[in-house]
Amino acid sequence: GAGVSQSPSNKVTEKGKDVELRCDPISGHTALYWYRQSLGQGLEFLIYFQGNSAPDKSGLPSDRFSAERTGGSVSTLTIQRTQQEDSAVYLCASRPGQINQPQHFGDGTRLSIL
Amino acid sequence: RKEVEQDPGPFNVPEGATVAFNCTYSNSASQSFFWYRQDCRKEPKLLMSVYSSGNEDGRFTAQLNRASQYISLLIRDSKLSDSATYLCVVNPLSGGYNKLIFGAGTRLAVHP
Repeated sequence: GAGVSQSPSNKVTEKGKDVELRCDPISGHTALYWYRQSLGQGLEFLIYFQGNSAPDKSGLPSDRFSAERTGGSVSTLTIQRTQQEDSAVYLCASRPGQINQPQHFGDGTRLSIL
Repeated sequence: RKEVEQDPGPFNVPEGATVAFNCTYSNSASQSFFWYRQDCRKEPKLLMSVYSSGNEDGRFTAQLNRASQYISLLIRDSKLSDSATYLCVVNPLSGGYNKLIFGAGTRLAVHP
């Protein structure tokens, strides 16, 4: 079956522009996560959606970052007024709602801010 | 103290060697545990879940020690293709959320 799908695969943009990253989770997975990973670094948690509950936004690094998940499926991560330090791979993962289930990751979006 | 801690390595081992990684976690109420593997410039992929009684999958053995709050991964007969970063993942089940916490990873390099 289809896995987690992210788009675009790569995004190059100028500093100060807004970018939108998309994640299409595995069908039926109620939990969705966004992470980012800088080169050679570990995963940095950004935000977590679980069903209709309020999202856990505790990892968003600044108010320039926001995310939404419409209809409990597709999610969009938006970065406004991008900065060079936003350059990273942005990874999305989804998992079933049951406890003790692992996450499945998409291929990520490689974001480069010039 | 970080919620999940791993030795970053790198562990440099010859082919055929046995290598073990440990990972400690801070929340004693954590309920589920996983090992993921991440190749360079790729997304993390699930290697195996870790069960209370320990579990084995081919050359890989995972164990959980709740008393000391650590999990381990043992790789026997290392292959060149095992070279990767191994991520320890813990579900602390805090605040009612199933938010998985990732360790920073342990890098393994297997050489001929």
